[in-house]
Amino acid sequence: AQKVTQAQTEISVVEKEDVTLDCVYETRDTTYYLFWYKQPPSGELVFLIRRNSFDEQNEISGRYSWNFQKSTSSFNFTITASQVVDSAVYFCALSEGTGGSYIPTFGRGTSLIVHP
Amino acid sequence: EAQVTQNPRYLITVTGKKLTVTCSQNMNHEYMSWYRQDPGLGLRQIYYSMNVEVTDKGDVPEGYKVSRKEKRNFPLILESPSPNQTSLYFCASSYTAAGGYTFGSGTRLTVV
Repeated sequence: AQKVTQAQTEISVVEKEDVTLDCVYETRDTTYYLFWYKQPPSGELVFLIRRNSFDEQNEISGRYSWNFQKSTSSFNFTITASQVVDSAVYFCALSEGTGGSYIPTFGRGTSLIVHP
Repeated sequence: EAQVTQNPRYLITVTGKKLTVTCSQNMNHEYMSWYRQDPGLGLRQIYYSMNVEVTDKGDVPEGYKVSRKEKRNFPLILESPSPNQTSLYFCASSYTAAGGYTFGSGTRLTVV
C-alpha cells in the first residue's frame, strides 16, 4: 500500500484559477514529517515546505498555502491565482521513523498544467 | 554555492557494463539518498546513508550498490546494468534525516 497517495495524476487549469493538490498519507508513527517538492519542466527538484506532525497550523507563503489535517491524514497544497510558471509536477513526501530511518517516501506526483 | 553535484547528467550504456554515477555535496550533510524516477511511479528510494560507512537499502535496491567512504560523496554503482534500470536518478542530501532535502540535477541513464 502506498504511504503517500496523490490521487490527482494531472490537473489542468487556466491562469488565475485557484488549484488544490491533494496528499493523503499513512503512518503509524506519532512523530513524522511531511513535505512538498516542485519539479518544473527543467527537471530539478525544489523543496517547498516541511511540516512536523505536532504542528497543524496552516502555512501561507505568498500564493502558496498548505493545509495539514491529522484527522484526515491529509496535507493539501493550494496555489492561489495560478500562473503559467506554476506548471510543474508536485510531489508530496512523508518522513517517518519506522525502522530508524526518516528518509522521505514520495508520492507519485501531480502534474499541474496552467494554461495562459 | 550550496549544492549537490551529480555526474554525468546523461549516460547511455550497454547491458552488463559496470558504471558509477557520482554524487557530491558541499554542505557537510550527514544524510544522503539515491532515488530513481520513472513515469507514473514518482520517486522511489534506492539506498540511503545516515553517515560515513552507514548505508541501508531503500525500496528498490536490487541491482545497485553504494558506498559512503567520505561524508561528501555517495556514489551509485551499477555492477551489471540492465534495460530495466533505464531511469532518471537523483541524489539528495540533508543535514537531518527528516530535513528538507537538497537534490542534485539528476542523471538520465539509458541502458540498451
